[in-house]
Amino acid sequence: QQQVRQSPQSLTVWEGETAILNCSYENSAFDYFPWYQQFPGEGPALLISILSVSNKKEDGRFTIFFNKREKKLSLHIADSQPGDSATYFCAARDTGNYKYVFGAGTRLKVIA
Amino acid sequence: AQTIHQWPVAEIKAVGSPLSLGCTIKGKSSPNLYWYWQATGGTLQQLFYSITVGQVESVVQLNLSASRPKDDQFILSTEKLLLSHSGFYLCAWSQQGNSDYTFGSGTRLLVI
Repeated sequence: QQQVRQSPQSLTVWEGETAILNCSYENSAFDYFPWYQQFPGEGPALLISILSVSNKKEDGRFTIFFNKREKKLSLHIADSQPGDSATYFCAARDTGNYKYVFGAGTRLKVIA
Repeated sequence: AQTIHQWPVAEIKAVGSPLSLGCTIKGKSSPNLYWYWQATGGTLQQLFYSITVGQVESVVQLNLSASRPKDDQFILSTEKLLLSHSGFYLCAWSQQGNSDYTFGSGTRLLVI
């Protein structure tokens, strides 16, 4: 059972556009949602995260929008750059649990 | 600053041979430690986690084992490799009570 779903599987945008990556989950006990960025051959790196008590989190060009009622969140990458081309993973943490559940990832390609 | 080091960087091993992968975290005492597996182009699957020396919890059974012989060391091993063990193995750490994971650079394993 896949508890965290990401869409689209892959996304191509032009440089300067806003890329929108979607994530949804099923478990109401999830309370923390980090997004990780992974370049080929490297380990994932934390990009931005949000707690379920918030509905928005911004960090530079990266913004998370969170809808607790609908169990959905999205990562918006404004002014996309070719260097943003990577795979982005949405993850969710169960309260008081050491297990993270990762989505399948979205492969983003930014064309100059 | 904390650093995480994984070894080896890559391995090519024969089916049925043993395997030992290592992970060391420097600059942080009593971290939570994790092993993840990633198929090529796939999501991140948590394998094991440890919150203290000598204590390891299994998340998924993949004919692998893990040990934490020292506070800063996490070992992943098996006595007999299977073709299905091929993939990218990632070690990660987090602070006690802090949810953010920091991943290592990974070990790429090819079983032939």
